[in-house]
Amino acid sequence: GAGVSQSPRYKVAKRGQDVALRCDPISGHVSLFWYQQALGQGPEFLTYFQNEAQLDKSGLPSDRFFAERPEGSVSTLKIQRTQQEDSAVYLCASSSSGTGGFEQYFGPGTRLTVT
Amino acid sequence: QKEVEQDPGPLSVPEGAIVSLNCTYSNSAFQYFMWYRQYSRKGPELLMYTYSSGNKEDGRFTAQVDKSSKYISLFIRDSQPSDSATYLCAMKTQGGSEKLVFGKGTKLTVNP
Repeated sequence: GAGVSQSPRYKVAKRGQDVALRCDPISGHVSLFWYQQALGQGPEFLTYFQNEAQLDKSGLPSDRFFAERPEGSVSTLKIQRTQQEDSAVYLCASSSSGTGGFEQYFGPGTRLTVT
Repeated sequence: QKEVEQDPGPLSVPEGAIVSLNCTYSNSAFQYFMWYRQYSRKGPELLMYTYSSGNKEDGRFTAQVDKSSKYISLFIRDSQPSDSATYLCAMKTQGGSEKLVFGKGTKLTVNP
């Protein structure tokens, strides 16, 4: 089935390295979300795109985090100068709704470990 | 205090038991209430949703929302070992932010 896919599934980075995480949403889905899930916690919102426009980045924890979706489809979450506290699962979700919808379909996540 | 509170458990029940999971919240602007199921090393999967108050039933699952108490519940009847997972409640406002606000998740184990 054509669900949300994410790559890589696992990433180990040394502290201070930059990483890039990719999300392929369900084809045709307008909205794309990034969430961070720490161990034993629920997902926490990072940022939201409607097509190529980043409409909400209020959840990005610092200016080391940057997300883009230049053609309104694939998205990349970039983390610069990784720190140990960045270790988490990064989940991408997409939705066919623009605003006002609630159904978000999640990918399997990228597990980032910073050593 | 977090906007959404959920007891992380863990919760362990025998097969066939009725399971009750719940969340409380503080933001009265929440209008959409969802339950997600997350298996180990997988992404969350939408199980059920309710708009505003009331009950909704889908097979062995029943979702309830009590907005006056800011309390939501998920009941699982005739629980099966395949129901073993982490259950996350999630909420969203209407007309405001598009983000979902999640609880911490409750880890459920159904023992055969």
